[in-house]
Amino acid sequence: EPEVTQTPSHQVTQMGQEVILRCVPISNHLYFYWYRQILGQKVEFLVSFYNNEISEKSEIFDDQFSVERPDGSNFTLKIRSTKLEDSAMYFCASSEPSGLSSYEQYFGPGTRLTVT
Amino acid sequence: RKEVEQDPGPFNVPEGATVAFNCTYSNSASQSFFWYRQDCRKEPKLLMSVYSSGNEDGRFTAQLNRASQYISLLIRDSKLSDSATYLCVVNVAVPTGNQFYFGTGTSLTVIP
Repeated sequence: EPEVTQTPSHQVTQMGQEVILRCVPISNHLYFYWYRQILGQKVEFLVSFYNNEISEKSEIFDDQFSVERPDGSNFTLKIRSTKLEDSAMYFCASSEPSGLSSYEQYFGPGTRLTVT
Repeated sequence: RKEVEQDPGPFNVPEGATVAFNCTYSNSASQSFFWYRQDCRKEPKLLMSVYSSGNEDGRFTAQLNRASQYISLLIRDSKLSDSATYLCVVNVAVPTGNQFYFGTGTSLTVIP
C-alpha cells in the first residue's frame, strides 16, 4: 500500500538554525500539506500546496516558513531561524487529485523537531 | 471560539460496548468532515469521511447534522485495538482555498 514518508524521524537543532524537513507524498497525489502538533496539543494546519504553489496557509505559517517541491517526488518544509516554540511533531500529508476523496488526507509518520 | 470542539474524554469502555463521540463545528462554510484516529505519538490515520446522508464502515457509523453543526461517530462491539484518540476534522472553504481544522481529540480506552 502506498504511503507518505518523511525524513528525518527526529531532528535536533539549536535555536536560530535553519532546518529542512522532507516528505515524499503518495505518487499520484496532487495536494500536499504540512501540519504540526505540539506535544499534548491538537494537530494544527500550516499550509497546503497544489500545482507548485501555496493554496492556503494558516496564521502559524509566517515568513520563517517556506515550502518547496524541488522535484517530482519531494515536498519540503523549511524553517529559516528556529525558535524554541517550533519544537513539535511535523506531519506531511497528501491527498488525491479530485472527486469525493480529494480531501481525504494520508499522513506521513512525522518528524519530531526539537529546538534547544 | 474554537473551530472544532470535542469532548476530550477519556472514555473507558469494556470490550463489546458501544460508544459514541460527538464533535461540533462553528463555521457554517465547513464543507467536508472526517474522523481520524491517532495512536500515541503516531500520525493521524483516516478512519472515515462523513457524508451528509451518514455512512457506515463495518462497526463504525458516522453521522452529520448540518443544521446543528455536529458530527458523530458510533463504534459498535468495541475491540481492544480501538483504543486510540479519535480526531474530528473539518474542512472550511475560504476564498483562496481550503483550511483544515482538527479537534483536540477524544481518548478511548477499551478495557478487557
